[in-house]
Formats: sequence, structure tokens, C-alpha cells
Amino acid sequence: EAEVAQSPRYKITEKSQAVAFWCDPISGHATLYWYRQILGQGPELLVQFQDESVVDDSQLPKDRFSAERLKGVDSTLKIQPAELGDSAMYLCASSLRRQGAYEQYFGPGTRLTVT
Amino acid sequence: SQQGEEDPQALSIQEGENATMNCSYKTSINNLQWYRQNSGRGLVHLILIRSNEREKHSGRLRVTLDTSKKSSSLLITASRAADTASYFCATAPGGTSYGKLTFGQGTILTVHP
Repeated sequence: EAEVAQSPRYKITEKSQAVAFWCDPISGHATLYWYRQILGQGPELLVQFQDESVVDDSQLPKDRFSAERLKGVDSTLKIQPAELGDSAMYLCASSLRRQGAYEQYFGPGTRLTVT
Repeated sequence: SQQGEEDPQALSIQEGENATMNCSYKTSINNLQWYRQNSGRGLVHLILIRSNEREKHSGRLRVTLDTSKKSSSLLITASRAADTASYFCATAPGGTSYGKLTFGQGTILTVHP
């Protein structure tokens, strides 16, 4: 069964350093999402792509976060500089429209700890 | 921002019992979905119910949706220890949103053997 791949699974970085996460969605899924999940809370959407275009980045802290999906396949989320409050799980998901609705398939996530 | 509010925040039951979780939301939706998350892992899609549906079943799962009350419930029957996880409802707005979901805070379910 096809899965969403993410790497790394765990990342420890010092504040003010740069960090990057990678996501490879399920083949053929045009829509890709990046979420941040703080412990004890639900995921919060950071950015959403349709193919290579950003369709929603309203919750992305653009002064330090950036995301790209250059060829409409895999995607990278970057934080520069990292802050202590960025410690969280970063989840990638992809979806395909089916009968007018989208079910999202999530990767295992990257656990980021900023020290 | 979290649209959904889930109730209870935590639920502890014995194996074989039924578990019911509730979700309330604020704005109109196209569909509502339930996801499960095992500790420290990604989310797994469980079931989707559209705004024109009132009830849906999948195996031991039963979901209801009341759009007039802006609420949904997830029932897990004959629970098993393996059902221990966090459960999230997520709402999808209408219009051209490409499936954007807003998640609730989740219910932590513990099933004791």
C-alpha cells in the first residue's frame, strides 16, 4: 500500500539554526499539506499545495518558514531561524479528490526539538 | 485555528465496552472526517461523512452528523485494547478549498484489557 514518506523522523536543532523537512506524497496525489501539531493538540495547517502552486499559506509564519513543491511532487518545508516555540511534530499529508471530497493520507511526521 | 471542539477530552473504558466521542463545529461544512492517531505517529483516516448524510458505518465504527446542531459523534463498538489512540474530527468547508481540513483538539481514548 502506497504511503507518504517523510524525513527525517526526528530532528534536534539549536535555536537560530536552519532546519528542513522533506515529504514525498503518494504518487498521483495532486494536493499536499504541511501541518504542525503541538503536543496535546490537533494538527494545524501551515501550507497547502495544489500541484506546484500554493493555495493556502495563511497560517504559515512567513518571516521564518518557507515551503516549496517545485515539480509538483515532493516538497520541502524550511524553518530559518528556528525558535524554541517551533518544537512540535511536523506532519505531511497528501490527498486525491474522490467524488467531490478529499481524504488525507498522512506521513509518520518529523518530531522537531529546538534547544 | 481549531474549529472543532471534542468531548470528552479523555475517555477510559474496558475492552468490550462502547466508546462515544463527540465533535462540535462552528461554520458550515462540505464534509466531516474522523482520524485516529497512535502515540507519536501520523494520522489515519477512519471515515468521511458528507453534509447531506446523517449516519455512516464502517466495521465497528458508526458516525452521525447533525448539521442543524453542527455536531457529530463517533461510536466505536466492542472496543479493543488496540483502539487506544487519539481521535480527531476534522471539518472541510464548502467551495474551492482543495480539501482543506480544520482539526479539533482530539479525544484520548484508553481501552484497558
